[in-house]
Amino acid sequence: AQSVSQHNHHVILSEAASLELGCNYSYGGTVNLFWYVQYPGQHLQLLLKYFSGDPLVKGIKGFEAEFIKSKFSFNLRKPSVQWSDTAEYFCAVNAPGAGSYQLTFGKGTKLSVIP
Amino acid sequence: DAGVTQSPTHLIKTRGQHVTLRCSPISGHKSVSWYQQVLGQGPQFIFQYYEKEERGRGNFPDRFSARQFPNYSSELNVNALLLGDSALYLCASSGTSARHQPQHFGDGTRLSIL
Repeated sequence: AQSVSQHNHHVILSEAASLELGCNYSYGGTVNLFWYVQYPGQHLQLLLKYFSGDPLVKGIKGFEAEFIKSKFSFNLRKPSVQWSDTAEYFCAVNAPGAGSYQLTFGKGTKLSVIP
Repeated sequence: DAGVTQSPTHLIKTRGQHVTLRCSPISGHKSVSWYQQVLGQGPQFIFQYYEKEERGRGNFPDRFSARQFPNYSSELNVNALLLGDSALYLCASSGTSARHQPQHFGDGTRLSIL
């Protein structure tokens, strides 16, 4: 079974600072990778996804993530955060090669952006 | 377009009771999955249904069951509720096949057990 670990529980940044949230997964086969965001009081929303192809994927609101297969990593980045990025961020994976389409989530990283 | 809708929004039950949570997927989506999210954790997979058949089950006891109806809506049932069942229950839907991604989530049902 696959698992996902997110390195940071809570990250606090000032506006305009750069962001990188770590995500590592454990599964040796083909994976689909996702970052979801949960703004306060709102439902989980998809930020970006990786299925195949270019390992650098761009998502909504200026976010991007890089898939590094050799490191089993899918880190989320944003060059300059805004106060409105305050939210909880979840990395998730599924393993279609194993016939598993369920999402396995990390524990989440809470991002607080200070104006 | 309406997103994934879940009802009720909030629910308070006592230990030993039974609960039914409901989910309507995005129009055209045929796959529905259920997740449990306890405070401070990421969502944990409970079930996936596609074309009224169970396609996946997470590590949850038999007190948890679900079904999908011909209109692709779904119910999650939990029997003999325990304090530890207090959580946000999320429903997600995805496209026209069991493998279709990504999954789109509803606002969830907040279940509190007293």
